[in-house]
Amino acid sequence: EVQLMESGGGLVQPGGSLRLSCAVSGIIFSNYWMSWRRRVPGKGLEWVANINPDGSEKYYVDSVKGRFTISRDNGKNSLHLQMNTLRAEDTAVYYCATSGGVWGQGTMVTVSS
Amino acid sequence: EIVLTQSPATLSLSPGERATLSCRAGQSVSSFLAWYQQKPGQAPRLVIFDASNRATGIPARFSGSGSGTDFTLTISSLEPEDFAIYYCHQYSSWPYTFGQGTKLEIK
Repeated sequence: EVQLMESGGGLVQPGGSLRLSCAVSGIIFSNYWMSWRRRVPGKGLEWVANINPDGSEKYYVDSVKGRFTISRDNGKNSLHLQMNTLRAEDTAVYYCATSGGVWGQGTMVTVSS
Repeated sequence: EIVLTQSPATLSLSPGERATLSCRAGQSVSSFLAWYQQKPGQAPRLVIFDASNRATGIPARFSGSGSGTDFTLTISSLEPEDFAIYYCHQYSSWPYTFGQGTKLEIK
């Protein structure tokens, strides 16, 4: 069974940083594109970032370019999202997901003073 | 960015009825369209990929159709567990995008 478990969410002040992690099991992690997606309260879903299997290709939605960095550790079956210069509009539940369509349960990020 | 417009925003039906949900893309996405189901407090669950293929474990009452810009998710006979929010999602071009969702509620 494929399982994804996010961690690292919490409350942070505007301008602050957080690092999200996602532990993956049940698949050959190094074979899959991985992504971070988010659900903004009262709004819908947004695709945040993508990374290819060996980590050499990364894509970001415009609203996070230059502030967020996606990375992966294939030796540890883990995915990460470094989030810097956080804004109120980054408040959301953040999900990691495989290219096969399996999502984790999500971790809440709240950006507020 | 490809905008996906879902209709209706809310669909009120009774168990046993047929549900038809629509998703329209602002430009062609070929067949690179998926449907997700989300229930409160749960992660989205993949229902349909590549416009018409059921994901693993999805019952046969779910079907997807369409290509290009117009897509439909049909649930042939609603079961109580089908009431949820459904999102369409295109992965034809970056940035990948989602529709705003259709809430399928019990009438």
